[in-house]
Amino acid sequence: GEKVEQHESTLSVREGDSAVINCTYTDTASSYFPWYKQEAGKGLHFVIDIRSNVDRKQSQRLIVLLDKKAKRFSLHITATQPEDSAIYFCAASSWTGGYKVVFGSGTRLLVSP
Amino acid sequence: DMKVTQMPRYLIKRMGENVLLECGQDMSHETMYWYRQDPGLGLQLIYISYDVDSNSEGDIPKGYRVSRKKREHFSLILDSAKTNQTSVYFCASSLSRRDSAETLYFGSGTRLTVL
Repeated sequence: GEKVEQHESTLSVREGDSAVINCTYTDTASSYFPWYKQEAGKGLHFVIDIRSNVDRKQSQRLIVLLDKKAKRFSLHITATQPEDSAIYFCAASSWTGGYKVVFGSGTRLLVSP
Repeated sequence: DMKVTQMPRYLIKRMGENVLLECGQDMSHETMYWYRQDPGLGLQLIYISYDVDSNSEGDIPKGYRVSRKKREHFSLILDSAKTNQTSVYFCASSLSRRDSAETLYFGSGTRLTVL
């Protein structure tokens, strides 16, 4: 089955800098790649996604890149702010008789003033 | 207001006791999920439900069972809980049908401790 590897377990940046979180996946059939944010003591909430028919998507300060050949996707957060500090999870979704969403292990992002 | 509600938020049980975790959603989503979150492991999928009485095993179903008798409600049951089932459990729902992948909406989680 699909496996998603999230490469950075922790990431520290200064406010205003950019942060990049990288993920790789194994199943070439995966077609949907969402990102979720988890703040302390809370559930996950959706931040941005990308589907396999495009290789770039931007929503305000968030940019997602997808490289299907390398089976790699990444989240870029530009002009970081302290409120961006959280755990970020990448995920991949593939069809196995129904769509199943498999998550990476999470990246703890700390944005310091 | 789109919401996934989990009850209880915290639960302490003794090894061997039965555990019932409940999840509700008010979005009429067809698909619901149970995940567990452990440090360094991210979220692991326990079960998926595609609709009432249409449940499929996820990646780690052993030791768990589920029940979905109404579309808005999905329960996770641990028969005779074990200490290695201590974890944070998240329920999620989505519009996903069998032919499309969509955003997941998560509850706030249940922190289960099995002593």
